[in-house]
Amino acid sequence: DIQMTQSPSSLFASVGDRVTITCRASQSISRFLNWYQQKPGKAPKLLVYAASSLQSGAPSRVTGSGSGTDFTLTISSLQPEDFATYYCQQSYSTPLTFGGGTTVEIK
Amino acid sequence: QVQLQESGPGLVKPSETLSLTCTVSGGSISSYYWTWIRQPPGKGLEWIGYIYKSGNTNYNPSLKSRVTISVDMSKDQFSLKLTSVTAADTAVYYCARAGTIGSPGEFDYWGQGTLVTVSS
Repeated sequence: DIQMTQSPSSLFASVGDRVTITCRASQSISRFLNWYQQKPGKAPKLLVYAASSLQSGAPSRVTGSGSGTDFTLTISSLQPEDFATYYCQQSYSTPLTFGGGTTVEIK
Repeated sequence: QVQLQESGPGLVKPSETLSLTCTVSGGSISSYYWTWIRQPPGKGLEWIGYIYKSGNTNYNPSLKSRVTISVDMSKDQFSLKLTSVTAADTAVYYCARAGTIGSPGEFDYWGQGTLVTVSS
């Protein structure tokens, strides 16, 4: 199985801050990497697919980058609705696997 | 607008079979990868498996011996059965759709999730 490791596991930030979350795969996954946002009690929501393609409806302040084993999700100017948990997920091979999540909390 | 809705018992006894159904509305069930994902309380996400084009399935090896995913196209539903459950199977179970860009790995529509507790 491909292991996905996210860092940090949590972070504190303020509205307007630039936030970066990192995801590392245990082997190369090319650009088969997706990012989800999950709020408490809700299903995850797809934000970015194929490493850098913004899902329809996702805000333009969100960008994804990377290839191979190292990926990042950046929120350029954090908004109140961005406080949530973010998961990366590889779609290179089955079993499909997720990172452990990064919780973005209000400072 | 595509919508998915899980249904099934919220409480299952240990050693019994967990059975859930996902009803799809607003889109065709004849294409796409129809997927089950679970999340234990306070923990991360685990992919269970998918069914594609009414017969092709792919399961997580960690659950493969206990999992069956099937589809009923006449009802626009797909289902999950997980046998011999234990407390470790307690989780929120989500159904989801993948395949908009041709791959089984990008989940663009999700159900709201249903909590299944395994307890006697």
